Amino acid sequence: RKEVEQDPGPFNVPEGATVAFNCTYSNSASQSFFWYRQDCRKEPKLLMSVYSSGNEDGRFTAQLNRASQYISLLIRDSKLSDSATYLCVVNKRVNNQGGKLIFGQGTELSVKP
Amino acid sequence: GAVVSQHPSRVICKSGTSVKIECRSLDFQATTMFWYRQFPKQSLMLMATSNEGSKATYEQGVEKDKFLINHASLTLSTLTVTSAHPEDSSFYICSARDWGDSYNEQFFGPGTRLTVL
Repeated sequence: RKEVEQDPGPFNVPEGATVAFNCTYSNSASQSFFWYRQDCRKEPKLLMSVYSSGNEDGRFTAQLNRASQYISLLIRDSKLSDSATYLCVVNKRVNNQGGKLIFGQGTELSVKP
Repeated sequence: GAVVSQHPSRVICKSGTSVKIECRSLDFQATTMFWYRQFPKQSLMLMATSNEGSKATYEQGVEKDKFLINHASLTLSTLTVTSAHPEDSSFYICSARDWGDSYNEQFFGPGTRLTVL
């Protein structure tokens, strides 16, 4: 079983739609959680961190359920520019050091006019 | 925000040659740098964790003699793919973690696309 699993996608949605991505992680020692965005043939870029209380950044809302080991990302009023691959990422502590990032396989989003 | 550069951005080489990729943190000191590999339609896979002044820690299944990592300063780590073969063709991405960042955010370089003929 993969440590971080995401909806396989792709998601094809019209502009203005609301779209939700789900992610589960298997390691309960995971400490911090992120959503990254990756455009084609580019490096991943941090979209937002995910906090237990849930957090929002404009049209983006992230939720974390530690008990269920579940993370979600909601995008409202989607734009053409939101088209990308969304990566669910978990930071796992290693030997009292900063830890390492474990990436999900990503969910591809395509927003159409 | 913190900037990480990689060089070269793209390299094409013949099978059997060695390729060196540089990763630099431009405006912060990075005690730890990470090297990832990404094959088409797959996610980033961590290859190794590079700590300044010490040996790199390799993930399971990654050959340390084939992927040589050097982290000689707080702003530079290098990855050398020795005797590259076509199956090593991939997108190699480094990231760096700020010395003073307790939240441990990683900043990614733009990646190096390696094609081995």
